[in-house]
Amino acid sequence: GAVVSQHPSRVICKSGTSVKIECRSLDFQATTMFWYRQFPKQSLMLMATSNEGSKATYEQGVEKDKFLINHASLTLSTLTVTSAHPEDSSFYICSARDGQGAEETQYFGPGTRLLVL
Amino acid sequence: AQKITQTQPGMFVQEKEAVTLDCTYDTSDPSYGLFWYKQPSSGEMIFLIYQGSYDQQNATEGRYSLNFQKARKSANLVISASQLGDSAMYFCAMRVSGGKLIFGQGTELSVKP
Repeated sequence: GAVVSQHPSRVICKSGTSVKIECRSLDFQATTMFWYRQFPKQSLMLMATSNEGSKATYEQGVEKDKFLINHASLTLSTLTVTSAHPEDSSFYICSARDGQGAEETQYFGPGTRLLVL
Repeated sequence: AQKITQTQPGMFVQEKEAVTLDCTYDTSDPSYGLFWYKQPSSGEMIFLIYQGSYDQQNATEGRYSLNFQKARKSANLVISASQLGDSAMYFCAMRVSGGKLIFGQGTELSVKP
């Protein structure tokens, strides 16, 4: 089946630094990718919708200057957490829709655990 | 408003027994999709089953079946013959316009030997 990868799987950084997370669709073209955030013992919350070649659409309450999203190609979307702070520590997970697939096809990456010290 | 509700924070089931995880949804869109995902402690989201709003029959995938009651706006997941490896968080999700998913609060399932 389709595979979505994320890199890195785990990152620890100092407060004030920026962290980039990559989401790649490995064997299909993803015109749309989604970025979610999950705090411990909570549900996944959609942060933004990433469309190839256009600006991302952010959900209400998500700071677009804080969480920069770039979808430069049909197989890669990146999320950059700028000037990270401890409250940004979370599990970030992306998903990708196969543009050629059926409506139900949406594949998740394995997630990235971010810890900001 | 579009919303997914899972009212069972935690569930226990005996190995080899069946268990039902509840999910209700709210939407005014005539076309939508309902998903169930399993999330083990590793964090990965594992797709289990999908039900389209226009599907006439309840979806089934191996030991998983979805009890879709459109009038009640419910989409409960039934796991038959529970296994120890089924212990995990389970999320119900609804696909809304633009293809994004909104998730319920999740249910933590524990399978007892």
